[in-house]
Amino acid sequence: QQQVKQSPQSLIVQKGGISIINCAYENTAFDYFPWYQQFPGKGPALLIAIRPDVSEKKEGRFTISFNKSAKQFSLHIMDSQPGDSATYFCAASPLDDYKLSFGAGTTVTVRA
Amino acid sequence: DVKVTQSSRYLVKRTGEKVFLECVQDMDHENMFWYRQDPGLGLRLIYFSYDVKMKEKGDIPEGYSVSREKKERFSLILESASTNQTSMYLCASSLDSGSSYNSPLHFGNGTRLTVT
Repeated sequence: QQQVKQSPQSLIVQKGGISIINCAYENTAFDYFPWYQQFPGKGPALLIAIRPDVSEKKEGRFTISFNKSAKQFSLHIMDSQPGDSATYFCAASPLDDYKLSFGAGTTVTVRA
Repeated sequence: DVKVTQSSRYLVKRTGEKVFLECVQDMDHENMFWYRQDPGLGLRLIYFSYDVKMKEKGDIPEGYSVSREKKERFSLILESASTNQTSMYLCASSLDSGSSYNSPLHFGNGTRLTVT
């Protein structure tokens, strides 16, 4: 049983568009929410992360929005580029536990 | 840059064989992990090690064991491979900083194991 539910499974967006990926969790002990990006043939790599004491974190074209009361968080990719085509995983863990629970992943395809 | 190296990119084994997947990291990280990646299921934790000779079961440890005799090396062992263990296996490491926030996972590029 997956502790972090991620949607959609895949999405296609035009170059310059916005990609939105959503994740939800039930475990109230979770207080660290990273996103990992994986290109074909490579292992996942940390993209951006948030703690629940903030509601939003932005790094370049990537933004995490966090809603603690709804136990949901999302990744927005603004001005999507073909180089953003990858699989994105949301994850969660308590701050004092190194074992991440991952979502099922979203494959993003950006069409030029 | 942290480098996590998995010894094989592709591996084909027969049912019932004992299989060893090897992983080495070069950044003196305390924590090492084995994850399994399957379409639609994401990454699932098999085992975690926070120190030499120390290990904890993850979410799906059945059919697997691990060995960590040296800090930089973490091995995953399939005692008797079965077809349902056909998957992509990812090794990762992280620093023990006291908080997961300061300890991102660094992944290897994976070993795709096929059991026939």
